[in-house]
Order: sequence, then C-alpha cells, then structure tokens
Amino acid sequence: GAVVSQHPSRVICKSGTSVKIECRSLDFQATTMFWYRQFPKQSLMLMATSNEGSKATYEQGVEKDKFLINHASLTLSTLTVTSAHPEDSSFYICSARDSTGPYEQYFGPGTRLTVT
Amino acid sequence: QQQVKQSPQSLIVQKGGIPIINCAYENTAFDYFPWYQQFPGKGPALLIAIRPDVSEKKEGRFTISFNKSAKQFSLHIMDSQPGDSATYFCAARFGDTDKLIFGTGTRLQVFP
Repeated sequence: GAVVSQHPSRVICKSGTSVKIECRSLDFQATTMFWYRQFPKQSLMLMATSNEGSKATYEQGVEKDKFLINHASLTLSTLTVTSAHPEDSSFYICSARDSTGPYEQYFGPGTRLTVT
Repeated sequence: QQQVKQSPQSLIVQKGGIPIINCAYENTAFDYFPWYQQFPGKGPALLIAIRPDVSEKKEGRFTISFNKSAKQFSLHIMDSQPGDSATYFCAARFGDTDKLIFGTGTRLQVFP
C-alpha cells in the first residue's frame, strides 16, 4: 500500500514552453502533498505545500507564478512549470501525506525535466 | 534554524561493515526524524524513523540513535551489503506544518 505515482517520468521540452507534472496517491487519500526539487548530487529542497481545495503555500524564493500548483482532488496534485528555461531542468519529486495517518509522507518516483 | 546538518558527505565500507551517518539540528520545533534511502533516478524511500521521546529504534539491519539533549541523531547499518550502496538522507519534520527539512545526503558505497 501507500503508493505515489508521478507522470511523466521524463520530459524534454523547449525553452519557453510549459510542462505539467502529475502526482497521484494510488491507494490512499492525501489532503496534503508536497513538491520538491532536486539538482544533481544535491538534497531535496521543498518548493511548496499543496492542500486539497485551497491555494498552495510556496517556500521562500520559489516563484509561485512560474510553478503553478493545483490540488483539485484528494488523490491528485499537479505542478506546471510555466515558460520553462534551461535552469529549470531538474528532478521534481512529490510526496503525499496519508490523511488518515499521523506522520508519514510517501514519495513518488520523480520526474526528470530537461529544458533545451 | 531550519537546517539539518549531515555528515559525512560520502562513506566507503567493506561488506559486513557498519557505516554510521550523523545528523544534527537546532530547531526544537522538529518532532519527527525519518531516514530515507535514494537510488539514482528514483524517489526517496523511507527506511526508518524516530520520535524525540525515544533514544533508539531498530528495524532489521537499520538502527537510529537519538540524543535529544545534544540535538543529534544517527543511522547505523549493520552487516552492510553491496545492495545498500545508495544515498541516504536524514530529515526533520515540523510538527505544525508536516514540512520535511532534508540533510545534505551521504553517498554510501559498500564493496564486496
């Protein structure tokens, strides 16, 4: 149980275009999901907290107009990278917090974004 | 205040050895301390976690030692195997927001 999926696993896009990444909790409901970014050989950096039915909360330094987050249901959150640039190339990882459990966040397999 | 410091950056051990990874924090608002294992190109997977009212927790070959007064915690991997070769991250969770703050990571290599 407690599986989180991400789609796509890899995406290559041209500079200036937008890309949408989906994060789904497959066998549990998640009122809260988190989005992280990880550059090569670095740690995970929290970008934003996504709450079902409300606006996302962004970490300091993360542009909310560039990284649009929508948490429209208890099992789906999406991250849209708008007007992507090569410096946005990174590994994007989501996690979902089980609404019925006290502590655990379950991580997705990640999405590799390459902007050319 | 939000940082979690992790050391060493990399670690090389022989099969059967006991690698130890250390983490330290400052913020007393953290209430939960998980460890994650990450293989290249994959998302992190929860290994073991501890709450600050417990000094030690063991699950299989993985043990967390927690020193609340020193604000330090460590991961021990008993009888390490080549399949344990991965990057390990400690993390600390804010109790009010569920946000996780990750350490900088330790790349472990276990040689046969």
